[in-house]
Amino acid sequence: GAGVSQSPSNKVTEKGKDVELRCDPISGHTALYWYRQSLGQGLEFLIYFQGNSAPDKSGLPSDRFSAERTGGSVSTLTIQRTQQEDSAVYLCASSLGWTGNSEAFFGQGTRLTVV
Amino acid sequence: KQEVTQIPAALSVPEGENLVLNCSFTDSAIYNLQWFRQDPGKGLTSLLLIQSSQREQTSGRLNASLDKSSGRSTLYIAASQPGDSATYLCAVRSGATNKLIFGTGTLLAVQP
Repeated sequence: GAGVSQSPSNKVTEKGKDVELRCDPISGHTALYWYRQSLGQGLEFLIYFQGNSAPDKSGLPSDRFSAERTGGSVSTLTIQRTQQEDSAVYLCASSLGWTGNSEAFFGQGTRLTVV
Repeated sequence: KQEVTQIPAALSVPEGENLVLNCSFTDSAIYNLQWFRQDPGKGLTSLLLIQSSQREQTSGRLNASLDKSSGRSTLYIAASQPGDSATYLCAVRSGATNKLIFGTGTLLAVQP
């Protein structure tokens, strides 16, 4: 596609349920990032995929969070047993690689509300 | 640990003014620096990318500079317009981890 696509755009879930958020990066982009933005806060790094390398999971806040990237393209962020503090906008970005001229492009985000 | 700071946190200017937004970072080992804008409830839109070997980039009314040795970047907006109102974020791509590390942003309001 022309840009990074995220789905769903909005998700309301009950506390304790599992959710899956999807990111379709720009075709050919080998790097993919997930960030979280809580209301009025900055962007919090979650996880980074680069090609076939092991992902950098250092930003995942707890073991309830996991992410995978299938076939080097689509990525899914899964949150198990959601809590109210998980409510935030989850943003995905992709770039051609990790070199100096690799511009990152963001999707429109998924707004997650845990009630 | 790389830290990115943006000053000011908020800025209000009348239409037509030229303005400068500041971004500073603590570790000069970066691949690049990128400026974004974020409109309320929206994702991030890329404005300019400056590679670590470059000093500045220009796009229309926007000019971004980079002084890697001092850990500073500025975004200059000429002849500001109400449509420029948004949050502006800078991010560095860490040379150590490849992560994009963001500042907390500058909320810009351009008054008509």
